Amino acid sequence: EAGVVQSPRYKIIEKKQPVAFWCNPISGHNTLYWYLQNLGQGPELLIRYENEEAVDDSQLPKDRFSAERLKGVDSTLKIQPAELGDSAVYLCASSFRGKNNEQFFGPGTRLTVL
Amino acid sequence: AQSVTQLDSQVPVFEEAPVELRCNYSSSVSVYLFWYVQYPNQGLQLLLKYLSGSTLVESINGFEAEFNKSQTSFHLRKPSVHISDTAEYFCAVSDQGDYKLSFGAGTTVTVRA
Repeated sequence: EAGVVQSPRYKIIEKKQPVAFWCNPISGHNTLYWYLQNLGQGPELLIRYENEEAVDDSQLPKDRFSAERLKGVDSTLKIQPAELGDSAVYLCASSFRGKNNEQFFGPGTRLTVL
Repeated sequence: AQSVTQLDSQVPVFEEAPVELRCNYSSSVSVYLFWYVQYPNQGLQLLLKYLSGSTLVESINGFEAEFNKSQTSFHLRKPSVHISDTAEYFCAVSDQGDYKLSFGAGTTVTVRA
């Protein structure tokens, strides 16, 4: 069974530029999460999707961050414009709803904003 | 939401020595408990979990963790570590019936020969 796929693995951009991250969850998983992981810290939830609906985006900075999950499968997280403080690892995870909240994580995208 | 404290940020240990990573959480309501491991430049992998039943849970590679409800703890142990156990370990907690996982800040384990 293929795991959660994320791309790109690494991204370096200059501040004020836009950037997008892509995630393909495990087949059949209807719940998808985007997390932010700062250096030396645990992941923090940005947004959660149930199928194509964003059911919790309370921690997403909506002035510059946006996300979509068209058709309830793949998802894209976008930052526009990026700031220096956005440098971090962006993790995508998926789970099967009702399965005791066991979440499966992708390898992450490491973003560096110069 | 739960608050999770991992008391040790760095744990250096010699190969074949035992290791214990401590994890405490904030609330005594019914919870699900997880330990995730993150190897360098990789995503988080589930190491073991407590959902219900026996308070002692084990992983396939020799780790074990014990759920202690009265102390709201879920400490991770391994009696003899290998070089390959060098990684960052995260404790995570969710209230039963809630999707939200709260993570600790992580403990970096460095195993030396």
